[in-house]
Amino acid sequence: KAGVTQTPRYLIKTRGQQVTLSCSPISGHRSVSWYQQTPGQGLQFLFEYFSETQRNKGNFPGRFSGRQFSNSRSEMNVSTLELGDSALYLCASSQDSAQYFGPGTRLTVL
Amino acid sequence: EDKVVQSPLSLVVHEGDTVTLNCSYEVTNFRSLLWYKQEKKAPTFLFMLTSSGIEKKSGRLSSILDKKELFSILNITATQTGDSAVYLCAVIQYNNNDMRFGAGTRLTVKP
Repeated sequence: KAGVTQTPRYLIKTRGQQVTLSCSPISGHRSVSWYQQTPGQGLQFLFEYFSETQRNKGNFPGRFSGRQFSNSRSEMNVSTLELGDSALYLCASSQDSAQYFGPGTRLTVL
Repeated sequence: EDKVVQSPLSLVVHEGDTVTLNCSYEVTNFRSLLWYKQEKKAPTFLFMLTSSGIEKKSGRLSSILDKKELFSILNITATQTGDSAVYLCAVIQYNNNDMRFGAGTRLTVKP
């Protein structure tokens, strides 16, 4: 089976812009979770989608949103980008208790 | 305030050594604890622990959870240079299923 894929791998944006990141889970996995990783804050949970519904949400402002499609692919959107949004954004798909991460999208906000 | 604390923050050992990494937590409505290994890429899932006292084992790695004392340990025996990585632990809570990560332990295994 192919692993979790994320696109794009790298992205540079300026403050105030918005960005959409994409994640394709492992075939058959219905749960997709998103995380933000920064040197200062470490790895932080954003939200989880299951069967097109947001099931869990971390402690991030409303500028961070997401959705999941019927084929389980998920997108994450960040609006009104701030410098502090520069990070590695990871998505993970899971089935049962095991979780598999994608390679991440490195977002730089200038 | 809910928190997950890992120790030590960094560790340098030689091949063949055995290491023990610690993860303590103070969270409400604890549900489960997870261990990950992160090299120069995305984290790799290692273990999920929900019940106290039951050791999970995978090759040279093993982990156990103590829900009374609120901590978990990750053991690596006969370490190899390929074990060099940051090891992360995370706790999931029942109330909101939020996943809270520790800062990680950076393990360096020297030949």
